[in-house]
Amino acid sequence: DIQMTQSPSSLSASVGDRVTITCRASQSISVSLNWYQKKPGRAPNLLIYGASSLQSGVPSRFSGSGSGTDFTLTISSLQPEDFAIYYCQQTYRTPGTFGQGTTVEIK
Amino acid sequence: QVQLVQSGAEVKKPGASVKVSCKAFGYTFTTYGIAWVRQAPGQGLEWLGWISPYLGNTNYADNVQGRVTMTTDTATSTAFMDLRSLRSDDTAVYYCARWSYYGTLYAFDYWGQGTLVTVSS
Repeated sequence: DIQMTQSPSSLSASVGDRVTITCRASQSISVSLNWYQKKPGRAPNLLIYGASSLQSGVPSRFSGSGSGTDFTLTISSLQPEDFAIYYCQQTYRTPGTFGQGTTVEIK
Repeated sequence: QVQLVQSGAEVKKPGASVKVSCKAFGYTFTTYGIAWVRQAPGQGLEWLGWISPYLGNTNYADNVQGRVTMTTDTATSTAFMDLRSLRSDDTAVYYCARWSYYGTLYAFDYWGQGTLVTVSS
């Protein structure tokens, strides 16, 4: 299986901060990389697909980049509703493995 | 609008089986795959497998292969996940998700609300 490693595991940030989360694949996955936001008690929400395409309805402060093995999710100006856990997922090969998650907490 | 509505919480004893349902609304059921993902308490997301309602093809994760069966009923636009020989480490919230294609890529764009399965003696 392809292993996905996110960093950091958690971070503290303030409203208005720029936040960057990275995801590394154990082998090249081209751009087959999605990002999801997960809040407690709620289902995951697709933010980015294909490494950099913004899902319909997702605010433009979210962006994704990368290809091959290294990927980044950026929140340009953190909002109160963005405090959550973020997961990357590779879809290059089944099983579509997820990263371990990055918790974004309020500073 | 697109919705996936799952069945309610279950409590099962070790060794038993559980069947979780996922009813789709608001789109043509056979046009999209259905994936199943779980989250154990305090843990991350785990991909369990997927099924094509149109063809009936399935693909299961190694760690549940042999214990899981995913099926669909196209007449009622419902997907099912049957997990057998339950263990305590199967305790988790189970999600169904719609598998959408974006050209050659795919992602899970709509999710059910989740079903808590508790395995306890």
